[in-house]
This record gives sequence, C-alpha cells and structure tokens, in this order.
Amino acid sequence: DSGVTQTPKHLITATGQRVTLRCSPRSGDLSVYWYQQSLDQGLQFLIQYYNGEERAKGNILERFSAQQFPDLHSELNLSSLELGDSALYFCASSGSQGASGANVLTFGAGSRLTVL
Amino acid sequence: AQKITQTQPGMFVQEKEAVTLDCTYDTSDPSYGLFWYKQPSSGEMIFLIYQGSYDQQNATEGRYSLNFQKARKSANLVISASQLGDSAMYFCAMREENYGGSQGNLIFGKGTKLSVKP
Repeated sequence: DSGVTQTPKHLITATGQRVTLRCSPRSGDLSVYWYQQSLDQGLQFLIQYYNGEERAKGNILERFSAQQFPDLHSELNLSSLELGDSALYFCASSGSQGASGANVLTFGAGSRLTVL
Repeated sequence: AQKITQTQPGMFVQEKEAVTLDCTYDTSDPSYGLFWYKQPSSGEMIFLIYQGSYDQQNATEGRYSLNFQKARKSANLVISASQLGDSAMYFCAMREENYGGSQGNLIFGKGTKLSVKP
C-alpha cells in the first residue's frame, strides 16, 4: 500500500456523462498530481495542486477540472465524456511544493475509467 | 521532440540474468532528476530509483542500478539477477528543476515491457 488512496478503482459510464475521481494523498504530503495513462498517449501530466492551490497545468482538457480541499484530498472531475477519455487516471502525492532532488512522487493504484 | 525516449517496447531476459533498459532524455536545464518506475500488471506505479543531474556516482538500490551517462544524456536501468516478479512495464521519467514550468512534475517515457523467462 503506497499510502495514496484513489476511488473508485473501476468506473464504467456512457458518453456525455460526468464522473468524479477522488484521491487522498499520503499522510503529510501537500502536493497532489493527476496523470492520465492511455495506450496511445502514455502517461500524461494533467494538473498539480499544493496545499489547496493550483500549481501547474499540463495537458488537461477544458472538460476536466480538479480541486484540492482543505483536508488535502483532491477530486478530478471529468465531464461530457468521450470514448477517448477511457484511461487509467493516477493520483500521486509528494511532500513539498517546489519538489526537487529525490522528492519522489508516490502513486495511488489508479482509477480505471471506461467510457462506452 | 520527446523529452524521454525509451526505444525498447519489449525485452526478454532469462531468470537470474542481468538486463539493461534504455532511457535517453533531452533537456537544456542544467538541474534535473531522473527516475525509474515499475508498473506491474496490477497497474500501480512503484518508484525504483533516482539520479540527480549533479550526482557524481551512479545510483543503486538493491538489485537496481542506474547507468548515468550525462554527456550522452542517457540513464539506463540495470536490473541484476532478474526474478519472475520483475516482469512489468518500466518507465523512465525526468523532472526539470528550473525550466519545467511546474512544481515537481514528472515527464514520462513510453515504457519498456520486461518479461522474465523461467
């Protein structure tokens, strides 16, 4: 167990729907990162939060949004879902804002989203 | 241009033998970190080893070592005495400390699927 908890583990939904993925970071970690892993795109960085504030944005679609709450858990909202959004969504956490050196990202087990 | 290149989509190795997984990277940032992660079929991402751009010695962690050749911009992972449980996807990743435009984000390669034969 990595200490990063993601729910749900699996989710099947239809095109046009909206889903919310939840992440609880490792105890003491203030930074949360979201990644999308698909067969064709590999692991893509979506967005990062630090202590409740957005810190960096990657290849996140406008249909997607995220937030980090005061208790440091984070949610990734995916709306108007398309077939191509089917992927494994990872949350990772780390201990500091300007992570440098061997500040390792610890990943959760992922949420597998299937859009039919 | 790809920042992290893993040229071996798949590799086979005999149990108990050593194997090298290739990774080359591209950055103009003088300060960066290189990471290797393992992803077994169960899906989780497991951190294996880290090398900083200013580290003088190659990193080692148990059976894992990183062959860091800075001038060639390569950071190959060496797994010694392969075990059946080493069968997994292996990802090389980089963090750019100054030019990354982000706070600690990792850029991943496409991965190498390693299969260990008994």
